Amino acid sequence: QVQLVESGGGVVQPGTSLRISCAASGFTFSDHGMHWVRQAPGKGLEWVAVIYYDGTDRYYADSVKGRFTISRDNSKKTLHLHMDSLTAADTAVYYCVRDFYSSLSGRFDYWGQGTLVTVSS
Amino acid sequence: QSALTQPPSVSGSPGQSVTISCTGTSSDVGGYDYVSWYQHSAGKAPKLIIYEVDRRPSGVPDRFSGSKSGNTASLSVSGLQAEDEATYYCTSYASTNIVFGTGTTVTVL
Repeated sequence: QVQLVESGGGVVQPGTSLRISCAASGFTFSDHGMHWVRQAPGKGLEWVAVIYYDGTDRYYADSVKGRFTISRDNSKKTLHLHMDSLTAADTAVYYCVRDFYSSLSGRFDYWGQGTLVTVSS
Repeated sequence: QSALTQPPSVSGSPGQSVTISCTGTSSDVGGYDYVSWYQHSAGKAPKLIIYEVDRRPSGVPDRFSGSKSGNTASLSVSGLQAEDEATYYCTSYASTNIVFGTGTTVTVL
């Protein structure tokens, strides 16, 4: 069965960096676009970034553009999100999400359980 | 990248029907037939219940239905059940990004 397992969350200080990861299993990872979606405490869901099936295209929400980098390793079936210059506004549960298609459609058919990133001094 | 507008909350008694609206622009909802709806309960991962405006994934009851007119999409839940109590989000493809709705909490009275 499809599984997406996030890791790497934790408490970090403002201005620092963090990389979170997602281990995928149960499907052909290299066939699907992959996303990060986050939810800040008490807030709604927010799309963060997407990477196409082969890594050639990546797009970001305006709120993270220039600070976050999404990447993938198809040989290891792993998705990453490198986050720089973190602020309190980045505090959220970060979900690893599979797109049904190879690129970007918004048909998010599988979600991980999320990893909590807390930015606090 | 402005969020799509949803009503904060809707409610209904068991067996009744509720409808949630999702209003965007011609750059997102109105421009593409890639509107999805997600059901999110506390402590759980969101669940896809409608994709491409009006299609249901296997396993989702036909009590859930989607539609779109112009820049507004809608999710209807008929025969409301206690298990339907959750927060519902719409999303839309917008060329190089995905836009989420503000979320609607459905309460079963």
